[in-house]
Amino acid sequence: DGGITQSPKYLFRKEGQNVTLSCEQNLNHDAMYWYRQDPGQGLRLIYYSQIVNDFQKGDIAEGYSVSREKKESFPLTVTSAQKNPTAFYLCASSTGQGANLNQPQHFGDGTRLSIL
Amino acid sequence: GQQVMQIPQYQHVQEGEDFTTYCNSSTTLSNIQWYKQRPGGHPVFLIQLVKSGEVKKQKRLTFQFGEAKKNSSLHITATQTTDVGTYFCAGRRGADGLTFGKGTHLIIQP
Repeated sequence: DGGITQSPKYLFRKEGQNVTLSCEQNLNHDAMYWYRQDPGQGLRLIYYSQIVNDFQKGDIAEGYSVSREKKESFPLTVTSAQKNPTAFYLCASSTGQGANLNQPQHFGDGTRLSIL
Repeated sequence: GQQVMQIPQYQHVQEGEDFTTYCNSSTTLSNIQWYKQRPGGHPVFLIQLVKSGEVKKQKRLTFQFGEAKKNSSLHITATQTTDVGTYFCAGRRGADGLTFGKGTHLIIQP
């Protein structure tokens, strides 16, 4: 079955450490996204990528970094510069680029990150 | 930047009652999408509205897009326990993708 796989499901980090969240899709989608969701809140866009080797900052990119070396993969690194990283992180993908970014987004199951 | 406001934040209903959530944008939207997130799950796409004044139905769910393309609503008739979850609207943010509302949490009392 096609889909989006996020790993791990739960992640614990010590303060001062960087940590990388994995996101892989086999839907052949061009666009991929990272969102952060805090309890009772909506989804806030961290980074998105419309094509390989290109990505753009979203609303809350500070303290995060991404790469898009392959179409299928869009890993997110939460750096030590992110002061409040505890949250639920969701990866999504969609078809289309640019003006065609109206397509539905398909989400992974998410990664819950906690600070020890 | 573009903001998408969604109300109410929480809605408690008795099973069998109707439910409505409203979404308002500060700017005209090219389209609006609706998602449902079950407790502990991830958002799942429900529908997309594109045309001014558009109305779409999915069984007990009715989706509307305002004439000015700045507001939208989702109405559920005769709620069931399977409707529990958070309903998000999401509007197109220029050329960059979607801006999500904060969602409406639907709690159903049997």
